[in-house]
Amino acid sequence: GAGVSQSPRYKVTKRGQDVALRCDPISGHVSLYWYRQALGQGPEFLTYFNYEAQQDKSGLPNDRFSAERPEGSISTLTIQRTEQRDSAMYRCASSLAAGQETQYFGPGTRLLVL
Amino acid sequence: AQTVTQSQPEMSVQEAETVTLSCTYDTSENNYYLFWYKQPPSRQMILVIRQEAYKQQNATENRFSVNFQKAAKSFSLKISDSQLGDTAMYFCAFMKHGGAQKLVFGQGTRLTINP
Repeated sequence: GAGVSQSPRYKVTKRGQDVALRCDPISGHVSLYWYRQALGQGPEFLTYFNYEAQQDKSGLPNDRFSAERPEGSISTLTIQRTEQRDSAMYRCASSLAAGQETQYFGPGTRLLVL
Repeated sequence: AQTVTQSQPEMSVQEAETVTLSCTYDTSENNYYLFWYKQPPSRQMILVIRQEAYKQQNATENRFSVNFQKAAKSFSLKISDSQLGDTAMYFCAFMKHGGAQKLVFGQGTRLTINP
């Protein structure tokens, strides 16, 4: 594809509901990353994949957060039992290969938990 | 752990002026990458420029250039002939070579270009 795409672009949910955020990386990109960005702050790392393997999930804040990339392309970040503190911009990025390549970001999903 | 510090929360200059954004970082790594990303009001994250730590030559991309001082762990961004479209948040970011490839971002500098 032309760039990284994410859906939905905006998500409003009620506290306690589960949400699933989708990322479609640039075609051919091996590595996929998830970040969370609070308003006025820089993005913070959540997790990343090489192909379908989750290589590092050290940034996931707690066990309500999980991510998968079952076929090594599209990835889903799932937040269970959402809380108001989960409100943020969730960004996905992809790179051609791990370790050396620039990460290209998608437009983000803005999540608001009421 | 690596940290990235941007000490200028906000800056404002007139159109056509040159502006320099500061960034310092802390790491014990010898081989790494440094980036500047731009976030305009649309909140997209756009790569501005990238620098490999093993390269002594400073990276340039048109009106954008960096001053990379490895010993001082400093990585400033210079924007020449600033344009209204340069108005954005600018984030400095660090990435280790090999191992975990996560980006570590600074807090950002909000740059406003005035007509």
